[in-house]
Amino acid sequence: QLQLQESGPGLVKPSETLSLTCTVSGGSISSSSYYWGWIRQPPGKGLEWIGSIYYSGSTYYNPSLKSRVTISVDTSKNQFSLKLSSVTAADTAVYYCARGDRAETNAFDIWGQGTMVTVSS
Amino acid sequence: DIVMTQTPLSSPVTLGQPASISCRSSQSLVHSDGNTYLSWLQQRPGQPPRLLIYKISNRFSGVPDRFSGSGAGTDFTLKISRVEAEDVGVYYCMQATQFPQTFGQGTRLEIK
Repeated sequence: QLQLQESGPGLVKPSETLSLTCTVSGGSISSSSYYWGWIRQPPGKGLEWIGSIYYSGSTYYNPSLKSRVTISVDTSKNQFSLKLSSVTAADTAVYYCARGDRAETNAFDIWGQGTMVTVSS
Repeated sequence: DIVMTQTPLSSPVTLGQPASISCRSSQSLVHSDGNTYLSWLQQRPGQPPRLLIYKISNRFSGVPDRFSGSGAGTDFTLKISRVEAEDVGVYYCMQATQFPQTFGQGTRLEIK
């Protein structure tokens, strides 16, 4: 079945760019029925939607992060990526990638295990 | 942004007893297409979130039928008919009617 796996550095310095990749296995990322998103969770806190990318290439970002976020897709590698620039300690969190179902649920129905990213010098 | 407010924030429950979590949105979640994109997710300790309910009341694949969702407009409820030990965790409501998609603060379900 479809699985998602996040990868990337676990430690990023303040003011640098956080870069994460989500590898999709067991299915194609190139389906118009789905969209792909990033959600984060600071330690001991709740969930925050970062943004999503659709089959058409359209992207939607949380306005609170919009100026610093870029989400892109690499169909040749069946991956999508997150870049978050000018990070601070407030960006320390577990970052999840997830699949959204446009056709049926319009919810994130499959999640990766998450990857912890710490922002510290 | 649509603000999602959950109550209670913590819910101690006896095994085998029912549990109920409320979620209220700051504006109607009825989309222009007629659907209401309100979902419920469960996050067990140390695990990623898991989709339980979508579009108010539809159970996702593999979700036990002791979980049910209801509501309309701005007021929604997740009910567990008989709590089991594996239900311990944090429950979130989430709206996908309008960008940015937003989550409730989470409700921690624990066993008495």
